[in-house]
Amino acid sequence: DTGVSQDPRHKITKRGQNVTFRCDPISEHNRLYWYRQTLGQGPEFLTYFQNEAQLEKSRLLSDRFSAERPKGSFSTLEIQRTEQGDSAMYLCASSFAPGQGFRRTEAFFGQGTRLTVV
Amino acid sequence: TQLLEQSPQFLSIQEGENLTVYCNSSSVFSSLQWYRQEPGEGPVLLVTVVTGGEVKKLKRLTFQFGDARKDSSLHITAAQTGDTGLYLCAGAIWGTYKYIFGTGTRLKVLA
Repeated sequence: DTGVSQDPRHKITKRGQNVTFRCDPISEHNRLYWYRQTLGQGPEFLTYFQNEAQLEKSRLLSDRFSAERPKGSFSTLEIQRTEQGDSAMYLCASSFAPGQGFRRTEAFFGQGTRLTVV
Repeated sequence: TQLLEQSPQFLSIQEGENLTVYCNSSSVFSSLQWYRQEPGEGPVLLVTVVTGGEVKKLKRLTFQFGDARKDSSLHITAAQTGDTGLYLCAGAIWGTYKYIFGTGTRLKVLA
């Protein structure tokens, strides 16, 4: 396993179209996170999964955004009716936590999907 | 509300100089990580600090976790042009699984 993989690396879409991104985490990792990052800023938390359960969604994630992790492995992030403001880098990360109270919660990132809405 | 504040936001220094980047919060963290990110790429993990007061060294980089696990610092000795990049602190707030990032410090080291 070579790390977290995201597909596609780049996506250009017209305003109003739907887009879907895929993330394949490191295989033994049970947590998966999605972030959005604009130029020069730190990544903004969008949502995360513990196995297949989506445990938290940011207020940044409007109704047009949906994320799934159906079998607790790969995840998809869909944006419906894209807007120009959705243009950003979308990052996926995964981590392993054997149980509650495990403190070493370091996450490993994919290379991101750069979305441009024209 | 940004829970992890980094300072400075931008830093431009000459090669050979020393620098310190700070990461501060009012929340307690289970552990804290530092990442470096190049343009167009995902963040790459540099180090994890877990215990309050912990100090870790990675060649010319020294990382410290505050005693109360609310803050951290990154010190670079004799900066090189290859240190140029966006430095990010991140961590999970104690008692939650939510993993958040700092505001970022963009470092430019000039030859």
